[in-house]
Amino acid sequence: AQSVTQPDIHITVSEGASLELRCNYSYGATPYLFWYVQSPGQGLQLLLKYFSGDTLVQGIKGFEAEFKRSQSSFNLRKPSVHWSDAAEYFCAAPDSGGSNYKLTFGKGTLLTVNP
Amino acid sequence: DAGVIQSPRHEVTEMGQEVTLRCKPISGHNSLFWYRQTMMRGLELLIYFNNNVPIDDSGMPEDRFSAKMPNASFSTLKIQPSEPRDSAVYFCASSLAGGRDTQYFGPGTRLTVL
Repeated sequence: AQSVTQPDIHITVSEGASLELRCNYSYGATPYLFWYVQSPGQGLQLLLKYFSGDTLVQGIKGFEAEFKRSQSSFNLRKPSVHWSDAAEYFCAAPDSGGSNYKLTFGKGTLLTVNP
Repeated sequence: DAGVIQSPRHEVTEMGQEVTLRCKPISGHNSLFWYRQTMMRGLELLIYFNNNVPIDDSGMPEDRFSAKMPNASFSTLKIQPSEPRDSAVYFCASSLAGGRDTQYFGPGTRLTVL
């Protein structure tokens, strides 16, 4: 079955520091990939998505992610973190069952931002 | 646009009671998803509707769970009877065209079964 791995359960960074959240997937074909963010008590909001083409994808709130097929990775980055970025971040990829609707979500990475 | 609307936002009930969660998807979206989020299992897809028709309910835990979508603007998830292990946050999401398209999530319903 498809799996999405987010190796870091919890990351703490200082405000203004750079950020990289890791995501690895297992999928035979070229995947489409998503990053979602969840603030406390809220639903998930799309940050960015990759379907094809340029492997560096820009998203909202200054986030970007790079698709690296050779490493089966889709890491999320931000050059300078703001306190409002504190939230939980989820990577998602298509389920390997062949459906065109089912996503597998990673377990999430909780980001804490220190002042 | 109002986004995906879910009600109630919080539900506390006693074991054995019936629970009904409600969802209004974004107008014009033809795909609707119900998810359950727990600390142990993360985010799990319970059921997927396309054009109001249930396409995949393989994630529904057991017969105590049922979902309906009587029209394009309303869906319900029912648990009868509820059990403490059903305690979780339940999300509804909608998209224009299936899972390849961006899914817009509602704020969720936090269910506590005592």
